[in-house]
Amino acid sequence: SQQGEEDPQALSIQEGENATMNCSYKTSINNLQWYRQNSGRGLVHLILIRSNEREKHSGRLRVTLDTSKKSSSLLITASRAADTASYFCATVKNRDDKIIFGKGTRLHILP
Amino acid sequence: SAVISQKSSRDICQRGTSLTIQCQVDSQVTMMFWYRQQPGQSLTLIATANQGSEATYESGFVIDKFPISRPNLTFSTLTVSNLSPEDSSIYLCSVTPPDLPTYEQYFGPGTRLTVT
Repeated sequence: SQQGEEDPQALSIQEGENATMNCSYKTSINNLQWYRQNSGRGLVHLILIRSNEREKHSGRLRVTLDTSKKSSSLLITASRAADTASYFCATVKNRDDKIIFGKGTRLHILP
Repeated sequence: SAVISQKSSRDICQRGTSLTIQCQVDSQVTMMFWYRQQPGQSLTLIATANQGSEATYESGFVIDKFPISRPNLTFSTLTVSNLSPEDSSIYLCSVTPPDLPTYEQYFGPGTRLTVT
């Protein structure tokens, strides 16, 4: 299966610190995406990185992709209470293929 | 982008009954999908809702248990039949707007089902 696996499963940090979450996957991919889910509700798309890209930024988010290691990381800088959520990586093997979600990292920002 | 609504964010149902979840989009979309998220787990694709034809189900999901309708390009329903406690999950629909690849999906807010 190409399912991504995030680590850690859960992460608690102080507000203002940086949070790093990692994702590993098993097969070659077209792209990798990160999503956020607040309190078991709908998913919010954060960022998409294509297989030929190594790094991408969006506001306080930085995503890296290492296709040789089949891994990606999501860095959230200067964390805020509102960043408390579950974060999922999701891989797509080919352009019109299904999205395969990882199991997620539960991030908790402490005041 | 697309704005997606799901009728009822939360439902509590008795075992043996059925629940139908609606997904409404504010614009016409090509692809609509239904996902299940079991407690503490990731999202699993149930099926692709095809407009004007039967849904395409993923391995492990069958039409008798999860009948899906898609009467037009902005609306779909998912029914979870003969409910058991194992069906307690969040059910989410997602859509892909026209001219975008399948992997570009916008998700609805989800419906949390609890079966007692």
